Amino acid sequence: QKEVEQNSGPLSVPEGAIASLNCTYSDRGSQSFFWYRQYSGKSPELIMSIYSNGDKEDGRFTAQLNKASQYVSLLIRDSQPSDSATYLCAVNLSGGSYIPTFGRGTSLIVHP
Amino acid sequence: NAGVTQTPKFRILKIGQSMTLQCTQDMNHNYMYWYRQDPGMGLKLIYYSVGAGITDKGEVPNGYNVSRSTTEDFPLRLELAAPSQTSVYFCASVGGGYEQYFGPGTRLTVT
Repeated sequence: QKEVEQNSGPLSVPEGAIASLNCTYSDRGSQSFFWYRQYSGKSPELIMSIYSNGDKEDGRFTAQLNKASQYVSLLIRDSQPSDSATYLCAVNLSGGSYIPTFGRGTSLIVHP
Repeated sequence: NAGVTQTPKFRILKIGQSMTLQCTQDMNHNYMYWYRQDPGMGLKLIYYSVGAGITDKGEVPNGYNVSRSTTEDFPLRLELAAPSQTSVYFCASVGGGYEQYFGPGTRLTVT
């Protein structure tokens, strides 16, 4: 069974710190990786996608992918209280699958 | 672009009633999905569609039905509602990079 694992948290960081969110996946053939942010009572929204090994930066967000170790992480620099949300990791399997597997999400709390 | 829209936003059903959750996207995406999300839990795939006229079951299809007569619309039908179907329902479509675009959700309570 294909699995995506995330620590449910909550992860609590002070304002201005770096928040590090991690995700591991079981299918070695996975090709596409995504981070979604979900505010309480709202729908998930895409914040980062990554498809190849290494780092991808977008503003304060950096996604890191290591296919050999089967993990993907999300770093949030200069964390703000508005970053407080649940972050969902999603992984698409090999072969161009359009069916993602979602982790349960990590709750992030950024306190002033 | 409105993206993915869902109606209604909220609904209370009595046990045994039926209803249809509407989902429409204006991005000309072929792939569309229905998920449910229970409190503190992840997203569970109910049904998905790869294009008009083609649908398939996801992880938790029991008690639900779907149809896809157009590219834009993907309604989800609940027959004989049960308390176990109390949840938040999200519709989504997929773009060219496999990224998902979610609708705002429908909060359903069955009592």
